Amino acid sequence: GENVEQHPSTLSVQEGDSAVIKCTYSDSASNYFPWYKQELGKRPQLIIDIRSNVGEKKDQRIAVTLNKTAKHFSLHITETQPEDSAVYFCAAVNPTGTASKLTFGTGTRLQVTL
Amino acid sequence: SAVISQKPSRDICQRGTSLTIQCQVDSQVTMMFWYRQQPGQSLTLIATANQGSEATYESGFVIDKFPISRPNLTFSTLTVSNMSPEDSSIYLCSVEVRLYEQYFGPGTRLTVT
Repeated sequence: GENVEQHPSTLSVQEGDSAVIKCTYSDSASNYFPWYKQELGKRPQLIIDIRSNVGEKKDQRIAVTLNKTAKHFSLHITETQPEDSAVYFCAAVNPTGTASKLTFGTGTRLQVTL
Repeated sequence: SAVISQKPSRDICQRGTSLTIQCQVDSQVTMMFWYRQQPGQSLTLIATANQGSEATYESGFVIDKFPISRPNLTFSTLTVSNMSPEDSSIYLCSVEVRLYEQYFGPGTRLTVT
């Protein structure tokens, strides 16, 4: 099955700096890569996603890049703010069978300091 | 997205008992999923619940322990049976709103004593 690795496990940046989180996946058939943000005690929230037919997608201060050849994708957050502090999870969908199953990375705890 | 609710939001249960968690969505969806998230950990898929068919379980999860119902396109239940302290976790449902896009319910925090 699919395996998703995520790095780093923790990341501390100063407010206004950029943050980058990287994930690699194992199955070349995977074709959908979402990112979730989970604040303490809250549900995971879908913040951005990318499908395998594009290489980059942006939404205001966040962007995701995908390198299908290398099987890795990254989340970029620019001009970080304290409210960006949370745990971020990457995931991959391998569309086998009849279900679009999400396989999650292990998470990155982002701390934005003043 | 979709409005997804879960009941109960939290519960404390004695070992050996069972708890049924409900998941309700405000629109009809084909695919619903149940996940477990242990404290400080990532999310692990328990099973996929497709309306009108048996749930599909992931490796390490069995129907006798985690029976699932999916009676219609807006509702599903997950039962955690014969609970032990190792079942203490957050249980989340999710729904697929558009192809592959999943949105999560608020979760049920279960503590087994």
